[in-house]
Amino acid sequence: GQNIDQPTEMTATEGAIVQINCTYQTSGFNGLFWYQQHAGEAPTFLSYNVLDGLEEKGRFSSFLSRSKGYSYLLLKELQMKDSASYLCAVSFGGYQKVTFGTGTKLQVIP
Amino acid sequence: ETGVTQTPRHLVMGMTNKKSLKCEQHLGHNAMYWYKQSAKKPLELMFVYNFKEQTENNSVPSRFSPECPNSSHLFLHLHTLQPEDSALYLCASSQDRQGLTEQYFGPGTRLTVT
Repeated sequence: GQNIDQPTEMTATEGAIVQINCTYQTSGFNGLFWYQQHAGEAPTFLSYNVLDGLEEKGRFSSFLSRSKGYSYLLLKELQMKDSASYLCAVSFGGYQKVTFGTGTKLQVIP
Repeated sequence: ETGVTQTPRHLVMGMTNKKSLKCEQHLGHNAMYWYKQSAKKPLELMFVYNFKEQTENNSVPSRFSPECPNSSHLFLHLHTLQPEDSALYLCASSQDRQGLTEQYFGPGTRLTVT
């Protein structure tokens, strides 16, 4: 199965930029998702990367390097409401099975 | 509101009880999923249904029994659970198979087994 690695926790300052990294095994890779999950709430979809490069969506951007098995989620102009867990999930195999990482808990401080 | 609802939101049950979790999606999606989320562990996929047919069972113990009567409804029947089954159970749906499109999650059922 897939082994997905992302940092457990990160802290960043309001107004700053933070980058959350995710690494995965490249075998059978189809695509990579990022989800946001606030404490006590359901995960919500942020982005989906299939091809190499940067996908920008407002304050959030997601980058993928298929050959390196690497992705990052970039959050700009951080706001207090961005405090949440960010889940990296990889689709792999012929049936596009999705495996989630353990998530990165981001705390935004004033 | 993601268009996926789950009931109940909280459930406490003894090890000898039988209970059911319910999930309903109002998005017209074709695939539905059950996940287990425990503290400090990744989301664990339990079951996948495509067009009402179960397409995946991730080695889940038989004390968890899913049911999908139609594309909009999904149930998880619970019986003879263990304390380690206490967790957040999330339902999700997607337009197509999980790896092709994003999933929409319900708010979850917080289950405590005593």
